[in-house]
Amino acid sequence: GESVGLHLPTLSVQEGDNSIINCAYSNSASDYFIWYKQESGKGPQFIIDIRSNMDKRQSQRVTVLLNKTVKHLSLQIAATQPGDSAVYFCAENIDYGGSQGNLIFGKGTKLSVKP
Amino acid sequence: EPEVTQTPSHQVTQMGQEVILRCVPISNHLYFYWYRQILGQKVEFLVSFYNNEISEKSEIFDDQFSVERPDGSNFTLKIRSTKLEDSAMYFCASRVQAFGTDTQYFGPGTRLTVL
Repeated sequence: GESVGLHLPTLSVQEGDNSIINCAYSNSASDYFIWYKQESGKGPQFIIDIRSNMDKRQSQRVTVLLNKTVKHLSLQIAATQPGDSAVYFCAENIDYGGSQGNLIFGKGTKLSVKP
Repeated sequence: EPEVTQTPSHQVTQMGQEVILRCVPISNHLYFYWYRQILGQKVEFLVSFYNNEISEKSEIFDDQFSVERPDGSNFTLKIRSTKLEDSAMYFCASRVQAFGTDTQYFGPGTRLTVL
């Protein structure tokens, strides 16, 4: 497998600004996508999900966009707050209903919110 | 709100020793998973478990690993003879089987340190 090492892409934003975190997925057969937030020393926390029959989904301050043509997923956080600071992972699931939902995680992006 | 719990939070062991990591999934969930995350890297799938048997396992999940659901609430991961490279965070996750619901909920993790 691919080795990521200790370096994570980092996004630094000012409190109150909007954040956009991007993710490229690899398998065109993937049909379910999830964004997780991971704070230091904690497990991944579910944020939002989207199925391949949709291209946009919103939940409160969070919006996920899916572009199947270029296999791209993005997470938009409106009015970013200091509590949003964390590492954000996208995850994909191949063969929905067939593989019992084994998730394949992306590399992660570290979001840093400046007060 | 129900959550996945894991014990211990941190386990230190000597190389070659056996360790058992414990998880209590959310009570009405039917699918169970173990993932691991080596420091600074992405979360990797180890094994999925359904109906008292392994559904799928990754290349990482070799003969040194085993999983068990000894009773109606616990889900365990055993590493028979630990190696230095087994040092990682181990996350348990669970999912309810319901149409339209695929979200996996993760526990806080167990940090395994092999000396």
